[in-house]
Amino acid sequence: GQQLNQSPQSMFIQEGEDVSMNCTSSSIFNTWLWYKQDPGEGPVLLIALYKAGELTSNGRLTAQFGITRKDSFLNISASIPSDVGIYFCAGHNQGGKLIFGQGTELSVKP
Amino acid sequence: KAGVTQTPRYLIKTRGQQVTLSCSPISGHRSVSWYQQTPGQGLQFLFEYFSETQRNKGNFPGRFSGRQFSNSRSEMNVSTLELGDSALYLCASSQTGASHNEQFFGPGTRLTVL
Repeated sequence: GQQLNQSPQSMFIQEGEDVSMNCTSSSIFNTWLWYKQDPGEGPVLLIALYKAGELTSNGRLTAQFGITRKDSFLNISASIPSDVGIYFCAGHNQGGKLIFGQGTELSVKP
Repeated sequence: KAGVTQTPRYLIKTRGQQVTLSCSPISGHRSVSWYQQTPGQGLQFLFEYFSETQRNKGNFPGRFSGRQFSNSRSEMNVSTLELGDSALYLCASSQTGASHNEQFFGPGTRLTVL
């Protein structure tokens, strides 16, 4: 089936560092979404992207919808301990299904 | 507005049993989607309901079924449970389910099959 390749799988960083993660696909997606999931909870939507080339910020988070519509990245600036969690990219494919990446587990050392 | 709620939060069943999970979407949302999350497979789409009709379906066996009621609440049923069905089951709601509508997730139901 259709897949999103998300990288890296995990990251261990120092508090204050910037973080970058990305998702790629061999297929075109109509939207790209970035979610964060804390242990025992459902994913929470961070940023939604609807147009190729769109760059959107939400506080310290910035995400971009790739111009080819086959990739997206998420940057977190000046990380803090509460940024710890699993970050998922997701995209709506041409059939309207929401497909998820495998997740990037972020650990932040104070 | 209240968020998406799911009941129960935790469930323990044995192989061969069946289970029903419930999801109440955000008020005004008519689309409800269900996902299975496991460490090995990540988040996998099960199905989507809109206006009491299944509109989209993932690649799961027929043991997994669902329905939606006129108030948009949805239930998911798994019959003849297998050990591999142990997972976090998440439901998400959106206004219409169209790709420009954002999906909001509930906290999930953690199912353990013994």
